[in-house]
Amino acid sequence: GENVEQHPSTLSVQEGDSAVIKCTYSDSASNYFPWYKQELGKRPQLIIDIRSNVGEKKDQRIAVTLNKTAKHFSLHITETQPEDSAVYFCAACRRYSTLTFGKGTMLLVSP
Amino acid sequence: EPEVTQTPSHQVTQMGQEVILRCVPISNHLYFYWYRQILGQKVEFLVSFYNNEISEKSEIFDDQFSVERPDGSNFTLKIRSTKLEDSAMYFCASSDDGGDNEQFFGPGTRLTVL
Repeated sequence: GENVEQHPSTLSVQEGDSAVIKCTYSDSASNYFPWYKQELGKRPQLIIDIRSNVGEKKDQRIAVTLNKTAKHFSLHITETQPEDSAVYFCAACRRYSTLTFGKGTMLLVSP
Repeated sequence: EPEVTQTPSHQVTQMGQEVILRCVPISNHLYFYWYRQILGQKVEFLVSFYNNEISEKSEIFDDQFSVERPDGSNFTLKIRSTKLEDSAMYFCASSDDGGDNEQFFGPGTRLTVL
C-alpha cells in the first residue's frame, strides 16, 4: 500500500517568513496529492491539491510542487501570518482509492 | 455551503459496549469514508463506501467495525465491542467523484472508551 512520509514534524517561523513542508510517497500510481490544514480540535480542511499531470499549482500565498519522478511534493506558504499556525497534513491517493496521510507538521508562526 | 455533519460530538462509553457514530454526508456526494485520528497522531483511513457497499477497508477495520447507510442521508459506523484503544476522533468524509477528488470532512466525533 501507499506510504507517505512528511517532514518536518514541527516548524517555527517568524511572521512574514516562508514555510516549506515536504512529503514523499511510495506508490507510483498515486495521482492526487491534497494538503489539509487542521486547527486545534477542528476538522481537516483542504487548502490546496495537485494532480500528477501538473508540476506546480499556486493559490495566493500557498503553492504546491510535485516531482513525480522523485515521488515527492511540497507545500510552500509565503508571507506567513499567525493565523497560518496549525497542523498541516499531506496525503496521496490513487484513482478511486483513499487518502493516505502523512504524520503532519505543526506550523507555529510567531508575531 | 453544504457541510458534512456528525453526531454526537463526544461519546463516552464503557469498554465492551457498542457504539454507533452517525454522519450525514453532503447530499449529492456518492463516496463516503470513515477515518480516525488518535490524539496527536495522523489521520488514518478506516473504510470507504460506494454504491451501498464497502469499496475499500484498512487493517484497522476488523470484524468489530461495520458501516451502514440505513437511509438516503445517514452513514453510520458501528463498533461492536469497544476497546480502550478505540479512543480517538472519528471523522466522516464524503466526495462526489471518488477518493482522488476533494474529500469534505465532518467535524468529528470524539470517542472515549473507559
